[in-house]
Amino acid sequence: GAGVSQSPSNKVTEKGKDVELRCDPISGHTALYWYRQSLGQGLEFLIYFQGNSAPDKSGLPSDRFSAERTGGSVSTLTIQRTQQEDSAVYLCASSSDRGQPQHFGDGTRLSIL
Amino acid sequence: AQSVTQPDIHITVSEGASLELRCNYSYGATPYLFWYVQSPGQGLQLLLKYFSGDTLVQGIKGFEAEFKRSQSSFNLRKPSVHWSDAAEYFCAVDVNAGGTSYGKLTFGQGTILTVHP
Repeated sequence: GAGVSQSPSNKVTEKGKDVELRCDPISGHTALYWYRQSLGQGLEFLIYFQGNSAPDKSGLPSDRFSAERTGGSVSTLTIQRTQQEDSAVYLCASSSDRGQPQHFGDGTRLSIL
Repeated sequence: AQSVTQPDIHITVSEGASLELRCNYSYGATPYLFWYVQSPGQGLQLLLKYFSGDTLVQGIKGFEAEFKRSQSSFNLRKPSVHWSDAAEYFCAVDVNAGGTSYGKLTFGQGTILTVHP
């Protein structure tokens, strides 16, 4: 498709389990971003990849969160030992370059039981 | 740290009425400015952006926004609201240094728009 694709759309897991969220950006977009949207915190930046540069991880809330981007395309956000406060919608976005408008996927709704 | 404020959490308008959603930012320089719209269960859709130049920018769906440097504001407007405009609207800034973006967006808290028939 032409847009940013995220999977799964919904994920329910038990506290303490690890989860992986996938993002497939728009073809040709060099920049990829992860955000988290929750009722209490609103929309928060998590991590940003630009080409082959080291990612900006300044928004990751703890060392349980990590992300990688393979081959400059698909990205995976991993949350280890999930906690209930990790429940949120995780949004991925991509842009043609840093500073250009970001195009968002529909998100993954993560629920921790 | 930079911040974005959307003073109105919830706005209700009648269909056909005009709309203005407020956004103020706190930052020393002029950031890149964006408005996004989010419908329930959907991601964010870009309505319009301001980088530089003409302070009145046109977007999709009949929306426009005006950048006012003196007020650090970037308010979103629409002359006549349609029922399909009901959604949540987010103002966002992309801080930059000398025109080089830092990449990440800082969002306001969002404004929920309800449209009455």
